[in-house]
Amino acid sequence: GEDVEQSLFLSVREGDSSVINCTYTDSSSTYLYWYKQEPGAGLQLLTYIFSNMDMKQDQRLTVLLNKKDKHLSLRIADTQTGDSAIYFCAETSISGAGSYQLTFGKGTKLSVIP
Amino acid sequence: EAGVVQSPRYKIIEKKQPVAFWCNPISGHNTLYWYRQNLGQGPELLIRYENEEAVDDSQLPKDRFSAERLKGVDSTLKIQPAELGDSAVYLCASSHSGTPGEQYFGPGTRLTVT
Repeated sequence: GEDVEQSLFLSVREGDSSVINCTYTDSSSTYLYWYKQEPGAGLQLLTYIFSNMDMKQDQRLTVLLNKKDKHLSLRIADTQTGDSAIYFCAETSISGAGSYQLTFGKGTKLSVIP
Repeated sequence: EAGVVQSPRYKIIEKKQPVAFWCNPISGHNTLYWYRQNLGQGPELLIRYENEEAVDDSQLPKDRFSAERLKGVDSTLKIQPAELGDSAVYLCASSHSGTPGEQYFGPGTRLTVT
């Protein structure tokens, strides 16, 4: 079955870079996603990468994909206190009903120390 | 543009009681999702609608859970009767059918069953 693994916690100092890692299992995933969840809120799509790419940059965010190792990472440059949140990695997979769905990891809680 | 709206935001009920959650998706999004998020976990899909049709309900516990999206816009999710293990955050999300991975989430309903 599909499984997405993430480390649960990450703590960085303000201004440093943060790197959040994720491993996934479904090699047929066409897109991989990063979502952000702030306390008491729903998830917010941050960025995504197509499976035939190995890197995507979007302002302070850099996504790296190693398809051979099924490893995905999200780098946040110049981390700010407002980046403190839970970050979810998600892979695309086919559900038991045969339709497209997202499978989320458990999330990495990023704490930014001022 | 208004985001995904959910109500209520919080609900506390005793076990064996019924409960209902309401969701209004982003205008123009014909795909609607209900997820359950347990503490410390990522969201898990319960049901997905394309317009008014439930196209994937394979993970919905049908003995006590039901959902409807009668006019292809608003949706309700019901639990009857609730059990202690149903305590969780229930998230609604919506997307265009052509970009199912780019989902927009509501703030969720936090359900506590006592």
